[in-house]
Amino acid sequence: DSGVTQTPKHLITATGQRVTLRCSPRSGDLSVYWYQQSLDQGLQFLIQYYNGEERAKGNILERFSAQQFPDLHSELNLSSLELGDSALYFCASSRGNRNTEAFFGQGTRLTVV
Amino acid sequence: AQKVTQAQTEISVVEKEDVTLDCVYETRDTTYYLFWYKQPPSGELVFLIRRNSFDEQNEISGRYSWNFQKSTSSFNFTITASQVVDSAVYFCALSANYGGSQGNLIFGKGTKLSVKP
Repeated sequence: DSGVTQTPKHLITATGQRVTLRCSPRSGDLSVYWYQQSLDQGLQFLIQYYNGEERAKGNILERFSAQQFPDLHSELNLSSLELGDSALYFCASSRGNRNTEAFFGQGTRLTVV
Repeated sequence: AQKVTQAQTEISVVEKEDVTLDCVYETRDTTYYLFWYKQPPSGELVFLIRRNSFDEQNEISGRYSWNFQKSTSSFNFTITASQVVDSAVYFCALSANYGGSQGNLIFGKGTKLSVKP
């Protein structure tokens, strides 16, 4: 058990809908990262928050947004969903902001139908 | 540009064979970190090792060993006496200055290892 908790584990929704994925980092970790894993794109970094502030952005679509709350949990919001958004979404957390090993949650499998 | 290449898409071995998973990386940074993660069929990503760019010592942990060579930009992973439980997808990753932060990981496409009894 990595100590990173993601909910829900599975999510099935229709095109055009909006969903929220939740992540609770390991105790004491200040950084939260979101990654998307799809068959065609592989594992891709989406966005990072550090102690409540956005720290870095990767290949995140404009339809997607995230935030990190004062208690350090994070939410990834996906809107106007398309079939191509179906993927495994991982949250990871780490102590600091630089090169510390990131521990991953079990992922949320999103299926858009 | 920063990139991680895992040229082996799939490898199949018989139990007790040794197997090496290749990883080649590209980065212009002089300070960077390399990682290996394991993704078993259950789907989670399990951290295996982190190595920084200044430490070229090989590392051994039980049946696992890692060979880091800056001269060839490679960070290869060897499993000795493989077991069925080693069946998984293995990802090599690079953490360098990407997207404004040095904490993000750039992953290779992964190598799917199947160990048959």
